[in-house]
Amino acid sequence: GQQLNQSPQSMFIQEGEDVSMNCTSSSIFNTWLWYKQEPGEGPVLLIALYKAGELTSNGRLTAQFGITRKDSFLNISASIPSDVGIYFCAGNSGGGADGLTFGKGTHLIIQP
Amino acid sequence: NAGVTQTPKFRILKIGQSMTLQCTQDMNHNYMYWYRQDPGMGLKLIYYSVGAGITDKGEVPNGYNVSRSTTEDFPLRLELAAPSQTSVYFCASSYIPNSPSGYTFGSGTRLTVV
Repeated sequence: GQQLNQSPQSMFIQEGEDVSMNCTSSSIFNTWLWYKQEPGEGPVLLIALYKAGELTSNGRLTAQFGITRKDSFLNISASIPSDVGIYFCAGNSGGGADGLTFGKGTHLIIQP
Repeated sequence: NAGVTQTPKFRILKIGQSMTLQCTQDMNHNYMYWYRQDPGMGLKLIYYSVGAGITDKGEVPNGYNVSRSTTEDFPLRLELAAPSQTSVYFCASSYIPNSPSGYTFGSGTRLTVV
């Protein structure tokens, strides 16, 4: 099946720092999405990408769909305490009806 | 606007017991999904459905069954619970497969099998 490698596994940063995480896949993806999960809740969509090379922002978050269609990154600028959580990349290589493949997540911890 | 509702939130089962995890959505979404989340492992797809009466296996379907008799409901059944099924289970839905708004997830059911 499809494999997604997400790194880093965890990040310990100071408030105000920028954050960068990425995902690579073993196959070409047509869709890349980035989700955030907080304790006791389901994942919530942050950014969706549908075209190779696409760069999309959502406030302090920026994500890009890699040109090769096998990778994506998420950047968070000027981190704040409420950014704490687990960030997941997800994607699909087909039409999407058969569900998304998820990365293992990046656990973001912010020290004030 | 409830979105995706999962019940129960927590459950402890003994080995060999059975149970049904309930999932209902009020957004008239055709596509529904069941994922399990194990620590450090991301989410893995168990079953999915593209509409009422249609279901299909995902990556990890063994030990589970689903049905989709209505658009709103997509229950997940565990017939003979095993410790390996200890996990957090998430139901999700979407209007179309690659919806710009992604999937809407429920808040999860934490299941422990002892």
